[in-house]
Amino acid sequence: AQSVTQLGSHVSVSEGALVLLRCNYSSSVPPYLFWYVQYPNQGLQLLLKYTSAATLVKGINGFEAEFKKSETSFHLTKPSAHMSDAAEYFCAVSSRGSYIPTFGRGTSLIVHP
Amino acid sequence: SQTIHQWPATLVQPVGSPLSLECTVEGTSNPNLYWYRQAAGRGLQLLFYSVGIGQISSEVPQNLSASRPQDRQFILSSKKLLLSDSGFYLCAWTPGLAGGIGDTQYFGPGTRLTVL
Repeated sequence: AQSVTQLGSHVSVSEGALVLLRCNYSSSVPPYLFWYVQYPNQGLQLLLKYTSAATLVKGINGFEAEFKKSETSFHLTKPSAHMSDAAEYFCAVSSRGSYIPTFGRGTSLIVHP
Repeated sequence: SQTIHQWPATLVQPVGSPLSLECTVEGTSNPNLYWYRQAAGRGLQLLFYSVGIGQISSEVPQNLSASRPQDRQFILSSKKLLLSDSGFYLCAWTPGLAGGIGDTQYFGPGTRLTVL
């Protein structure tokens, strides 16, 4: 069985500050890992995806995430937050051989001017 | 390019009324299709998924049902809505056949359902 834990249902940062959204996973086999973003009243869209090609994954809008196998983590970062980054962020894991991803409960990113 | 559509965008229904939400995908064949629900303040709950026409797997027992009458059409239904059915319903797809396993999910714009 696989699971995803996102620490912090809400994260608040000032514009220009570092963004760090945490994600830890458990999986019995090497997984695919994803970060999705959801803006209000919209569907989810892919930010980035880890597929074992490289441990540091760069995504859209300046976000990146690092896969750390020893820590079973896949934290999302952005050096400088922008007001437009305010949204809900979901981490997801999908085990190889499964059609069904497991999503975390989401973290709401709040950006203050 | 592939696109995914959902309608209606918003819906307000009385308790006990029927429901039909539709999802269609364009630009691909044999997709895997998914229905999710987001209740207020909660994460994504997988309701149903389908790997082919007429093949439906249910993840959560409830008063909802799903059907896939055509390759790129996925319908979510209910005979009698409950208050607890309120939420944001999302349809998603992944490539079938050669893909699907571990693939990126592509989400539709969602349907906001309010049951009064």
